Amino acid sequence: SYVLTQPPSVSVAPGKTARITCGGNNIGSKSVHWYQQKPGQAPVLVIYYDSDRPSGIPERFSGSNSGNTATLTISRVEAGDEADYYCQVWDSSSDHPGVVFGGGTKLTVL
Amino acid sequence: QVQLQESGPGLVKPSQTLSLTCTVSGGSISSGSYYWSWIRQPAGKGLEWIGRIYTSGSTNYNPSLKSRVTISVDTSKNQFSLKLSSVTAADTAVYYCASQPWLTPAAFDIWGQGTMVTVSS
Repeated sequence: SYVLTQPPSVSVAPGKTARITCGGNNIGSKSVHWYQQKPGQAPVLVIYYDSDRPSGIPERFSGSNSGNTATLTISRVEAGDEADYYCQVWDSSSDHPGVVFGGGTKLTVL
Repeated sequence: QVQLQESGPGLVKPSQTLSLTCTVSGGSISSGSYYWSWIRQPAGKGLEWIGRIYTSGSTNYNPSLKSRVTISVDTSKNQFSLKLSSVTAADTAVYYCASQPWLTPAAFDIWGQGTMVTVSS
């Protein structure tokens, strides 16, 4: 089955840029979605189809996807961005197509 | 604006069947516009997709859970449901229902608030 690999944690100072990676075999050929989850809350979609932002998501959130790595970039990080972030793809490559999530990355704002 | 709300027992005994329902409001579950999924998250851990159903009844399941999972839809009640059989403590988690626009590989754009289910005697 398809595996998505995320770093367990990323730390960044306020006002700086955070980059959260999501690794997978030829992930560049898939569409990657990103979710933000704050403690005690349901996940919220922040990036879909690699780089599109839903309405209401700040322009500070952006995404890219190429080769074996997709990246969520958060510019001018704020304290309120501290959360867990998950990448997700649809794996159609196996006999049992389905949704795959990365293990999640905890973003800490220093 | 479509909203989702999970409901069901918060405590299930080992070896029994976990049953949850997701009520769709603000839209019709039979509109054909969405896939309807169940996702779970054990405390302190990541998200795990359980499976999904389309209005037609077509389903996809996580292979690791497929033998124990049934997802069904009740269009008359605007609900879809999850049944997970032979539960163990490892099935203790927050269970979310979520929707994806029908055009795969779409993202989960709407989530329920989640419901905690504990498996314990």
